[in-house]
Amino acid sequence: DGGITQSPKYLFRKEGQNVTLSCEQNLNHDAMYWYRQDPGQGLRLIYYSQIVNDFQKGDIAEGYSVSREKKESFPLTVTSAQKNPTAFYLCASSGSGTSYETQYFGPGTRLLVL
Amino acid sequence: KNEVEQSPQNLTAQEGEFITINCSYSVGISALHWLQQHPGGGIVSLFMLSSGKKKHGRLIATINIQEKHSSLHITASHPRDSAVYICAAGLMEYGNKLVFGAGTILRVKS
Repeated sequence: DGGITQSPKYLFRKEGQNVTLSCEQNLNHDAMYWYRQDPGQGLRLIYYSQIVNDFQKGDIAEGYSVSREKKESFPLTVTSAQKNPTAFYLCASSGSGTSYETQYFGPGTRLLVL
Repeated sequence: KNEVEQSPQNLTAQEGEFITINCSYSVGISALHWLQQHPGGGIVSLFMLSSGKKKHGRLIATINIQEKHSSLHITASHPRDSAVYICAAGLMEYGNKLVFGAGTILRVKS
């Protein structure tokens, strides 16, 4: 079955720790996205990538980093510089990255700070 | 002010009722998406519109470009329709990125 997987489902971070959220897709999509969802707010774009080895900052990139070494994979690292990381993180992909395309979402990772 | 506004924020309906969720945006768009988020958090795309109207089963989405407004209608609502409904606009001034509304929490009671 084609789709997007995210792991883990829940992730706990200690103060000062970097954590990495996994996102994998087998839809052969060029574009991948990371969003953050907070209660009562719309999804906000953290980073996106339209091609391997290239990515752009979204609206709230501070305290996050990404890599895109393979087409299928777009991991997100939440660094210790992100002071308020508790949120629901969603990964998505689309064919080539235009706003006319359907975005396909993963099941999400809920990050909590200990 | 958010570029994409949804109303209402919360909606409770009785099974069988006709439901309307509204989305308005402030600048020109390339496309308007409606999404559904289930209680577990997963999001699925329902519609993508750039003009007119689309229908899928009991769901209908319309858009009025001149008024910068879109609506999502659910006919003969059912408890399984309970979810968060999100609109997202491809705002021209933001290139290809989508800007998301805060969502409408829908609860359909039996």
